[in-house]
Amino acid sequence: EPEVTQTPSHQVTQMGQEVILRCVPISNHLYFYWYRQILGQKVEFLVSFYNNEISEKSEIFDDQFSVERPDGSNFTLKIRSTKLEDSAMYFCASGTGFSSGYTFGSGTRLTVV
Amino acid sequence: TQLLEQSPQFLSIQEGENLTVYCNSSSVFSSLQWYRQEPGEGPVLLVTVVTGGEVKKLKRLTFQFGDARKDSSLHITAAQPGDTGLYLCAGSGSSNTGKLIFGQGTTLQVKP
Repeated sequence: EPEVTQTPSHQVTQMGQEVILRCVPISNHLYFYWYRQILGQKVEFLVSFYNNEISEKSEIFDDQFSVERPDGSNFTLKIRSTKLEDSAMYFCASGTGFSSGYTFGSGTRLTVV
Repeated sequence: TQLLEQSPQFLSIQEGENLTVYCNSSSVFSSLQWYRQEPGEGPVLLVTVVTGGEVKKLKRLTFQFGDARKDSSLHITAAQPGDTGLYLCAGSGSSNTGKLIFGQGTTLQVKP
């Protein structure tokens, strides 16, 4: 069964450093998302991406964050100047349509120290 | 702001018992999805319901979307230890981007 692949599975970074989280969505999917889940809290929407541009972003997704789909397969989330409160699981998801449900990756656990 | 409230948050039952998990909102959702999440993993889609009043079955799991599309329920018949896990409801709401609003989850423990 097709999978959404995320790398790395775990990243530890110093506060203030930049990190890039990588995702390979399912190849025929059109809609791409990043979510995050702080330990013990709800899964939160960060950003949606369609037709090579951001379609919606949450209040969390400020200038510190950016997304790219540089080569038609990879979908990346960049966090500039990481803060302690950015520590969370980050999930990539993709889908073919809103009523079909989405496939989530296994996540990247980001720890900012 | 659209919110989804799940109840109960924790449920511990014996094998063979039935249970129902509820997902409620004051907002209308265009679709509602149920996921199961294992520790350290991403959510895995169980079902999507789209039409008000829709009922879908997945083996011993029955999912229902409320008539007004503001609530949903997950009913498990004769629970098994393998059903143990975190169940999440997530709604696709007023935006036209397909973003999901998640409930806080229900942790189910089924004891043998």
